[in-house]
Amino acid sequence: ETGVTQSPTHLIKTRGQQVTLRCSSQSGHNTVSWYQQALGQGPQFIFQYYREEENGRGNFPPRFSGLQFPNYSSELNVNALELDDSALYLCASSPTSGMNTGELFFGEGSRLTVL
Amino acid sequence: AQSVTQLDSQVPVFEEAPVELRCNYSSSVSVYLFWYVQYPNQGLQLLLKYLSGSTLVESINGFEAEFNKSQTSFHLRKPSVHISDTAEYFCAVTPFSGGYNKLIFGAGTRLAVHP
Repeated sequence: ETGVTQSPTHLIKTRGQQVTLRCSSQSGHNTVSWYQQALGQGPQFIFQYYREEENGRGNFPPRFSGLQFPNYSSELNVNALELDDSALYLCASSPTSGMNTGELFFGEGSRLTVL
Repeated sequence: AQSVTQLDSQVPVFEEAPVELRCNYSSSVSVYLFWYVQYPNQGLQLLLKYLSGSTLVESINGFEAEFNKSQTSFHLRKPSVHISDTAEYFCAVTPFSGGYNKLIFGAGTRLAVHP
């Protein structure tokens, strides 16, 4: 069984640039969520994708956007990067779109540094 | 809206000593409760969860947590810790009827087990 994989693991960008982060969900999981974990804080929910559509969103501006593909993999795109976007971005997959199973399966994250 | 407070940012403890990591939450609706663990350079893993039933839940590696509705707490305990328990522990909640996998995390507690 393949777990959740994310790429790249680390990257550095400058303010104003755009970034795309990628995630492959665990085998058999049709739902992907994205979280932002700033240094010293807990993860914060960005949004969730189910069947290629966004079906839940946290308190993040529209410059945070995403996609889910037919194979359930996903991308997180952030435009017009700001210094405060520096964080660990976590992808999590689950076999359902609701918290019925009570468990999310997380990847190791993509660490973004904005200079 | 929901919020989670982890009362200790760091907990140092000697090997084989007992430990308690405290978690309080605030919510106007009923919630599911979770503890996730993040070992160094790894993604978050579910440690244990409370969905319904017995208020005392246990993990396979000796941790337990008790849901206290009147005190809105979900403290994590282990009677005897090992060096390998050194990690960051996150308490999280999600509302019953969220419809999607939005976890609200606390800021985390770093457990450092010393020999």
